[in-house]
Parts: sequence; structure tokens; C-alpha cells
Amino acid sequence: GNSVTQMEGPVTLSEEAFLTINCTYTATGYPSLFWYVQYPGEGLQLLLKATKADDKGSNKGFEATYRKETTSFHLEKGSVQVSDSAVYFCALILTGGGNKLTFGTGTQLKVEL
Amino acid sequence: EAGVVQSPRYKIIEKKQPVAFWCNPISGHNTLYWYLQNLGQGPELLIRYENEEAVDDSQLPKDRFSAERLKGVDSTLKIQPAELGDSAVYLCASSLLAGEHTQYFGPGTRLTVL
Repeated sequence: GNSVTQMEGPVTLSEEAFLTINCTYTATGYPSLFWYVQYPGEGLQLLLKATKADDKGSNKGFEATYRKETTSFHLEKGSVQVSDSAVYFCALILTGGGNKLTFGTGTQLKVEL
Repeated sequence: EAGVVQSPRYKIIEKKQPVAFWCNPISGHNTLYWYLQNLGQGPELLIRYENEEAVDDSQLPKDRFSAERLKGVDSTLKIQPAELGDSAVYLCASSLLAGEHTQYFGPGTRLTVL
């Protein structure tokens, strides 16, 4: 079946530190990949996406590159802010797979001053 | 553009009581989803609608859960009777078309069953 594995949290960083949240996937086909962010008390918001190998998704200083050879889609940001504190979910969807998003378990990020 | 609207935001009920959640998708979005999110987990799909038709309800516990999407716009998810294990966040999402992969989520309804 299809699955997404994320690094466990919480990840605690100081402001302006570099962020990496690892995400790997298993899929029976050729998926599109997503990062969603969930701020406290809010719903999931699409952060970025990539639909084919070597594509780089980027938004708000975050970026992730679709690596087919390593089945990975790691999230990175060069300098985090306190306002980036949230839970980050990696997800995949398969073309022809009924539009079913398969999510990882989420990684909580805490950024401190 | 207005996002996906859900109500109520919070609901506390006693076990064996019924409960209903409402969702209004983004205008023009034909596809609507209901997800269940347990604490510390990612969302899991319960049901997907294409217009009025439920095209994937394989994960919906049909003994106590039901859903409807009249007129292909708003949707209601119902639980009757609720059990303690139903305490979770119920998320609604929508997308423009069946082939459009980007899903937009509402804020969710947090259900607590006592």
C-alpha cells in the first residue's frame, strides 16, 4: 500500500536556525507530494507541492525537492521564525488513486527566541 | 475568496447521543472530502463526494456514520450513536475537480464524547 513516514517530533529550534523535516514515501505508482501545515487551532493549509521527479516546491521560505531515487520529499527552511511553530504534515496522492491523500503522522516544530 | 467553512468548531456530547457536522466547500469546488484526525495523527479519509455522489466511502463506519451532500454543495456528516472512541477532529476539504489534486481544508470540528 501507500504510506508516508515522517521524522518524529517535537523538533525544537532557536529562531534563525536551519530546519529540515524528513519525509519518505512508499507508493505503488507515481505520486504527487505535498507539505501541509497546521497552526494551533486551525485547519490544514497547503504549504507547497511537487508533481514530478526533481520538481522543487517552495513557499514562504520553505522548500522541498521531489527525489524519486530516494523516495523522499524533505522540507527545509534556511531561517525559521517563532511564527513557523506548527505541525507539518507530508502527504502523497496518486494519479488515478481516487484523489485520496495519504498523510504522515505529522512533525511538531517549536521555534524559540 | 472564502475558504471551506465548517460548523460547529467544537462539540461536547455524552456517549450514545447523536451529533452532526456541517461543511460548506469553496464555491465551485465539485469534490468534497470528510477526514478524521485523531490526536497526534494525520488525517484519514472517511468519504469523498463528486457532486452529489459518494464515490469513495470505503473507510466510513456505516453502522453509525452517515453523510449526505444534497444539491452537490453543502455536506453533513452524522454520527449516531456516538462512542467514546469517536472523540477526534473531523475535517472537511474540497477540490475543484476530481483530477485536481490540491485539497483545501476547513478548520475542523473538534468532537469530545464523554
